[in-house]
Amino acid sequence: DAGVTQSPTHLIKTRGQQVTLRCSPKSGHDTVSWYQQALGQGPQFIFQYYEEEERQRGNFPDRFSGHQFPNYSSELNVNALLLGDSALYLCASSLLAGGPKGTGELFFGEGSRLTVL
Amino acid sequence: AQSVTQLGSHVSVSEGALVLLRCNYSSSVPPYLFWYVQYPNQGLQLLLKYTSAATLVKGINGFEAEFKKSETSFHLTKPSAHMSDAAEYFCAVSPTLTGGYNKLIFGAGTRLAVHP
Repeated sequence: DAGVTQSPTHLIKTRGQQVTLRCSPKSGHDTVSWYQQALGQGPQFIFQYYEEEERQRGNFPDRFSGHQFPNYSSELNVNALLLGDSALYLCASSLLAGGPKGTGELFFGEGSRLTVL
Repeated sequence: AQSVTQLGSHVSVSEGALVLLRCNYSSSVPPYLFWYVQYPNQGLQLLLKYTSAATLVKGINGFEAEFKKSETSFHLTKPSAHMSDAAEYFCAVSPTLTGGYNKLIFGAGTRLAVHP
């Protein structure tokens, strides 16, 4: 049973560019969340997708956008990259909390490390 | 608003010694509480979780944590440290699952070093 997979694992961009990160959730999961982890800090919640819609959003600007596909996989897009966007971006999947089988437990991928020069 | 405070950004113990990592939370509703571990260049792995059942929660790799409402704490312990326990540990809080959507608020993390 494959866990949460993310791609690419590492990438380097320059300021002003755009980036797309991809995530495949754990088999059977219907909800995908994205977190940003800056160096030396805890992960910060970006947003969460369920049924192809953004359901919750953290304190991130509109430059951060996402998408969820019918197969539950997800993309995170960041436009107009800033130096401060350099971080490890973590995808987490789960069953919808509060649903019949939702436990709230998140399963994390290994992340995509973005460096902005 | 919910928040998590992890006391001590770095903790160093000897192999075989007690591990104690501190976590205090703030929440206006009964919380769900989690401890995650992160090894270098990897994602987060769930160690244990509190979801309003037993206040003493046992997790993987010999770790356990006790929920103390009166102290708003959820400290992580392990009786005897092993070299392989060296990692970054994160405490996280989530509101109870009434809203239908789960998200975690993480602390800043505690880096555990284990020396021979």
